[in-house]
Amino acid sequence: GAVVSQHPSRVICKSGTSVKIECRSLDFQATTMFWYRQFPKQSLMLMATSNEGSKATYEQGVEKDKFLINHASLTLSTLTVTSAHPEDSSFYICSARTAGGEQYFGPGTRLTVT
Amino acid sequence: QQQVKQSPQSLIVQKGGISIINCAYENTAFDYFPWYQQFPGKGPALLIAIRPDVSEKKEGRFTISFNKSAKQFSLHIMDSQPGDSATYFCAARMNSGYSTLTFGKGTMLLVSP
Repeated sequence: GAVVSQHPSRVICKSGTSVKIECRSLDFQATTMFWYRQFPKQSLMLMATSNEGSKATYEQGVEKDKFLINHASLTLSTLTVTSAHPEDSSFYICSARTAGGEQYFGPGTRLTVT
Repeated sequence: QQQVKQSPQSLIVQKGGISIINCAYENTAFDYFPWYQQFPGKGPALLIAIRPDVSEKKEGRFTISFNKSAKQFSLHIMDSQPGDSATYFCAARMNSGYSTLTFGKGTMLLVSP
């Protein structure tokens, strides 16, 4: 299957700082990438859909000014959590869709805000 | 409104047994149904997927059965192994360029040695 990478795998930051998470499709071009958030023992919650070269579409209840998404190329999307607070601590997972429609997920990033 | 209902929430199967996880959907516009396997602390991995033009798809020990009229699909894991212990998510999506996956709530599978 196609490979999607995420960096960093885990990050600890202080409250009030910003954190950037990178998502890359390593062996395919992805016109559409997705960002999810997952709480322990729960399903994936879609935060936003990102299309290359255009603004991200955010799901209802997700603050676009807090979770900045940039999809600058066909292989890279970034999620920046601005002014992070402890309640933003979570497991963030990106996903990329192939031209054939399959959707592959990255390994996730564990964010802890202290 | 949950559009994909998954059951059971958790499942314990003995090694060598068959694990069966069921999902039901409501939106008849869905036409792509993948299953994902997730280990703790890892991202979901695409396991197998089916489209409604077939009733069954098999890949190794994993089989999807699809019943279009009942709007149900299920994952069967044959000869279950302890290494299969993970959380499994079913999902569904419409076949449009900008549609997103709708996930079930997940099933925690434990295969006992």
